[in-house]
Amino acid sequence: DAKTTQPTSMDCAEGRAANLPCNHSTISGNEYVYWYRQIHSQGPQYIIHGLKNNETNEMASLIITEDRKSSTLILPHATLRDTAVYYCIVRDTGRRALTFGSGTRLQVQP
Amino acid sequence: GAVVSQHPSRVICKSGTSVKIECRSLDFQATTMFWYRQFPKQSLMLMATSNEGSKATYEQGVEKDKFLINHASLTLSTLTVTSAHPEDSSFYICSATDHLKNEQFFGPGTRLTVL
Repeated sequence: DAKTTQPTSMDCAEGRAANLPCNHSTISGNEYVYWYRQIHSQGPQYIIHGLKNNETNEMASLIITEDRKSSTLILPHATLRDTAVYYCIVRDTGRRALTFGSGTRLQVQP
Repeated sequence: GAVVSQHPSRVICKSGTSVKIECRSLDFQATTMFWYRQFPKQSLMLMATSNEGSKATYEQGVEKDKFLINHASLTLSTLTVTSAHPEDSSFYICSATDHLKNEQFFGPGTRLTVL
């Protein structure tokens, strides 16, 4: 699986959009970009995934650059409950285990 | 989204005893489940892959005789920590793949404390 690079931590004001970047410059053509988050002392929660096109669901939007070497997870209106560690993971199939990096610790400020 | 449960959510045991953790996929069938371990302030580390009806595959450095995995049905995998020691104290998390959705869902985790 391709390696990903994320900032260690970010802050965001409550009610504002949180934009979490991820670099995956070695991604290959058949690899998806997945985002999960882990709230303290809980299991990771699936957020969204995509291959080429931008994706949106009830939780977030995923913007993937045209060359697919980077992506951005957007939480449109961050709340205090969005405070968590966010993991960007690249992999080619849902059938294998996920490899977790260090992730980005997002702190939503009141 | 799909639901994966774990039981128990928290367990405290004495050194030398064995502890069994259950992982269930509640609304989908999972031929493959995964077990992870997470130490404080660290990321999740894969321990093993659990395959229904066959032997588990363990990651390098994980003792298969210490961490027994059984995947007896399409909705249940169990992890038994045998002869637990204080260094086994950790947060154990399972996940299961919903192949129809190509998504992997995680359980809430089990916090094991070995005294």
